[in-house]
Amino acid sequence: QQQVKQSPQSLIVQKGGISIINCAYENTAFDYFPWYQQFPGKGPALLIAIRPDVSEKKEGRFTISFNKSAKQFSLHIMDSQPGDSATYFCAAKGGGADGLTFGKGTHLIIQP
Amino acid sequence: ETGVTQSPTHLIKTRGQQVTLRCSSQSGHNTVSWYQQALGQGPQFIFQYYREEENGRGNFPPRFSGLQFPNYSSELNVNALELDDSALYLCASSPTSGMADTQYFGPGTRLTVL
Repeated sequence: QQQVKQSPQSLIVQKGGISIINCAYENTAFDYFPWYQQFPGKGPALLIAIRPDVSEKKEGRFTISFNKSAKQFSLHIMDSQPGDSATYFCAAKGGGADGLTFGKGTHLIIQP
Repeated sequence: ETGVTQSPTHLIKTRGQQVTLRCSSQSGHNTVSWYQQALGQGPQFIFQYYREEENGRGNFPPRFSGLQFPNYSSELNVNALELDDSALYLCASSPTSGMADTQYFGPGTRLTVL
C-alpha cells in the first residue's frame, strides 16, 4: 500500500519557469511533510518542510502549499534554474518513532 | 559542524554473506534512522535508534539489525544477503527535541549483492 503518491514521475521545465510537483497522502496521522532533493550518487538533502497547521510555507524560491482537507501538498520552484535539475521526493511522517514515508520521486529537468 | 557520514562508499558482497554498514551522526543528534533506497525508488524506512535502543521499525525482516553507540554512531547489519538487498543504504540523524522530525541524510553506502 503506497501511502504517499507523487506526481508527475518526470517533469521538464524551461529555465525561469515554475516547477510544480504534487503529492497526496492517505494516513491522517501524518503531521510532518518534508521535501527532499537528491542528486545522482548523493543522499537526499532537506529542502523545506511544513506541518498541517499552516497552508503555505516559503523559503527562497521554494514554496510548499498544503491542503489538509484534500490530503494533498505540493512543491513549487519559482524561477527554475538548470542547477535545480535533480530528483525530488515528498515525504510524510507521523509522531513518535515512525520513519519517513517517501513518494516515488519526480525527475526534474530544467532546460537552459 | 560535520554532517552525517557513512562508510564504506561502495561494497560488493555475495548472496548469503553478512554485511555491516557504518554511520556517524551529525554533531548533537541523538536519533539515527536507516533507510533502503532501491534504484529509481524513494527511500524505505528500516528502523530507528534512540539512546542505543531500537524504538521504531519498518517492514523489514529480522535479518536487518542495528546498533547505536554512546557517541551516537550507528551500524546496520544485514545477514543472509539476498540479491534484492542490492540498494543504496542511507543513514539519517535527527536532533534532540524541538526538531526531532527533521532528518538529515548521509551520502549513503551502495551495496551490490552478486
